[in-house]
Formats: sequence, structure tokens, C-alpha cells
Amino acid sequence: GENVEQHPSTLSVQEGDSAVIKCTYSDSASNYFPWYKQELGKGPQLIIDIRSNVGEKKDQRIAVTLNKTAKHFSLHITETQPEDSAVYFCAASLGANNLFFGTGTRLTVIP
Amino acid sequence: GAVVSQHPSRVICKSGTSVKIECRSLDFQATTMFWYRQFPKQSLMLMATSNEGSKATYEQGVEKDKFLINHASLTLSTLTVTSAHPEDSSFYICSAPLGGRNEQFFGPGTRLTVL
Repeated sequence: GENVEQHPSTLSVQEGDSAVIKCTYSDSASNYFPWYKQELGKGPQLIIDIRSNVGEKKDQRIAVTLNKTAKHFSLHITETQPEDSAVYFCAASLGANNLFFGTGTRLTVIP
Repeated sequence: GAVVSQHPSRVICKSGTSVKIECRSLDFQATTMFWYRQFPKQSLMLMATSNEGSKATYEQGVEKDKFLINHASLTLSTLTVTSAHPEDSSFYICSAPLGGRNEQFFGPGTRLTVL
């Protein structure tokens, strides 16, 4: 089955700086890579996703890159704000099947 | 995005009782829903896939007789934790994929505490 690894497990940045979270996956057949933001006591919220036919996708301050050859993808958050503080999960899936999640990154944005 | 609700958001029960958690897709139909369990400071672990009109598919190590799943309609799936024990205390989250696309939308989760 798919194995998704995520780094770092914790990340602290100053407000306004950028944050980068990286994930690798093992199954080359995976074709969908979403990123979720989870605040304390809440369910994960989809913030951005990318499919295997695209190398990069951007939505305002958030961007995701995908390197299919190396089987890794990254989340980039620019101009971080305190409200960006949360736990972020990457995931991978094949088709419309269940998601395989990374272990999560706790991001803290220091005002 | 699509909205998925869960009820209750929080439940405390005594050991040995059963607890039912509902997952609803509010503005779309879902023939499939997923149930996850999340322990503190850990990732989401898939428990089972709920299929409308057929039996749920359970992941390895998940007891189907303990975690009963019923996909009653295209907008409702329920998870019943039977004879709950303290080790079943966890955060239970459901999700539903939107249409034929991969995007999964998650419910807000249910915090179960078994005393």
C-alpha cells in the first residue's frame, strides 16, 4: 500500500516569513495529492490539492509543487499569519479511493 | 466547497454502552463515505469505507462487530461503537468524496470519551 512521509513534524516561523512542508509517497500510481489544515478540535479542511498531471498550483498565499519522478510534493505558505497556525496534513490517493495521510506538521506562526 | 456534518460533536459515555455517530453530506450525495479515527497528536487512520446499499469495507485490524457502519441513504452514514471501552476514546471523523472527483470533504469530528 501507499506510505506517505511528512517533514518536519513541527515548524515555527515568524509572522510574514514563509513556511515549507514536504511529503514523499511510495506508490507511483498515486495521482491525487491534497493538503489539509486541521485546527484544534476540528476536522481537516482542504486547503489546496494537486493532481499528477500538474507540477505546480497556487492559490493566493498557498502553493503546492509536485515532483512525480522523485515522488515528493511540498506545501508553501508565504507571508504567514498567526491564523495559519494549525496542524497540516498531506495525503495521497489513487483515483477516488481512500486517502493515505502523512503524520502531520504542527505549524506555529509567531506574531 | 461541500459541507459534511457530524453529530454529536462530543459524547461522554460509560464503559459498556453503545454510541452512534452520524455523518451527513448536506449539499451533495455520497455513495461512499469514509470513517477515520484520530488519537491525540497523531494522524488520521482509516477505519472503514461506508458504501450506500452494501456492506462497509473495514481496514485490517478494525473489528467490524465493534464498529458497526450503516450507510442508510445517499446523504447519511452512521458509525456505532458497541460496548465502548476507555481505549475507544478518540476523535472520530468522517469524510465524503464529491462526485467523481478525488476531493474529500471532512466532517467536524466527534470527540468520544468512554469513562
